[in-house]
Amino acid sequence: QLQLQESGPGLVKPSETLSLTCTVSGGSITTSTYYWAWIRQPPGRGLEWIGDIYYNGRTYDNPSLKSRVTLSVDTSKSQFSLKLNFVTAADTAVYYCAKRSLMVRGIMKEYVFDQWGQGTLVTVSS
Amino acid sequence: DIQMTQSPSSLSASVGDRVTITCRASQSISTYSNWYQQKPGKAPKLLIYAASSLQSGVPSRFGGSGSGTDFTLTISSLQPEDFATYYCQQSFSPPYTFGQGTSLEI
Repeated sequence: QLQLQESGPGLVKPSETLSLTCTVSGGSITTSTYYWAWIRQPPGRGLEWIGDIYYNGRTYDNPSLKSRVTLSVDTSKSQFSLKLNFVTAADTAVYYCAKRSLMVRGIMKEYVFDQWGQGTLVTVSS
Repeated sequence: DIQMTQSPSSLSASVGDRVTITCRASQSISTYSNWYQQKPGKAPKLLIYAASSLQSGVPSRFGGSGSGTDFTLTISSLQPEDFATYYCQQSFSPPYTFGQGTSLEI
């Protein structure tokens, strides 16, 4: 059973860099039908997709984060990582890593967030 | 960006009720619509993908429908464990956006 687990500091100072790692266990990070995603949820609010990375390093991120995001993958450790630069209080959120899997229904193919880590709260405060 | 607008934002219901939550996309997304359930302090859980396909392991009382811009999540007979927040999400094009959520309360 594939599992995802986030790790990283729970407190980051304003203007510094938030760094999180997601460890994948019980399955292969190099599976061709998976993308590896980061999603966040500010306290009491909705969900925001941050970005995805494929096992070969190709990335897709949300333009709303204005190029503050760096995604990376280490297949030898079965880990993928998020760095978010120049954080402010608005970046305080629960950060989830997730697997985005290919689902096929007839001729339809789409990728959905079918497995999630438990989430980790990151607070931006001095 | 494609906006996903859910209604209602909150809903009171009772065990055994039939409940419907709607989601409207700001442009046509074919059937690239998904539904998630989130309980307090937990990660979201995929319920429905491709507008109407039931994720493995999800009870059959959950159903989805729609295409284009209008989508619906229906719970045919509410159970106590169904009281949670529900989100729609589009996977038509990045950035992959979610609705604002519908809180289902007793």
